[in-house]
Amino acid sequence: EAGVVQSPRYKIIEKKQPVAFWCNPISGHNTLYWYRQNLGQGPELLIRYENEEAVDDSQLPKDRFSAERLKGVDSTLKIQPAELGDSAVYLCASSFGQGRNSPLHFGNGTRLTVT
Amino acid sequence: QKEVEQNSGPLSVPEGAIASLNCTYSDRGSQSFFWYRQYSGKSPELIMSIYSNGDKEDGRFTAQLNKASQYVSLLIRDSQPSDSATYLCAVTGYSSASKIIFGSGTRLSIRP
Repeated sequence: EAGVVQSPRYKIIEKKQPVAFWCNPISGHNTLYWYRQNLGQGPELLIRYENEEAVDDSQLPKDRFSAERLKGVDSTLKIQPAELGDSAVYLCASSFGQGRNSPLHFGNGTRLTVT
Repeated sequence: QKEVEQNSGPLSVPEGAIASLNCTYSDRGSQSFFWYRQYSGKSPELIMSIYSNGDKEDGRFTAQLNKASQYVSLLIRDSQPSDSATYLCAVTGYSSASKIIFGSGTRLSIRP
């Protein structure tokens, strides 16, 4: 079974530039998560999708962040414009269904550096 | 108060000893509890899940849950250098079983 695939693995951009991250979840996993992880911290949820519907985006900074999950499969997270404080690792995760038997499976993450 | 709290460490344990990692959570209605291990520069990987009060054992790992005290712990027996990593406690919320909230992690170091 292929795992969660993310790209790119690393991205270095100047502030005020746009950037996009892509995620392909495990086949059959209908729940998709985007987390942000700062150094020395745990992952912080940005947005959660159930199929193609964003059911929890309360932590997403909507003035500069946007996300989509067309057709309920792969997803894109965009930042425009990027700020220095956006430097972090952006993790995508997926799970099958919801509830107690649905632990998260993480991709390798995208390490973003904003200069 | 943070929703999920962990001691950041580092926790240093001699090889072969028992490592004890602790986590408290604020949502009394939380139903599912997970421990993830994260090596430096890598993504978190699930090592244990627990849903009922008591102990759950899997090899050298034992998860313990006490919902009355809102406390979950992870014991690692016969600690090995390969256990050196950051351990993340994760908890699902009562209102949404899919909302998984992570603690900031405890850094564990196993010394030879």
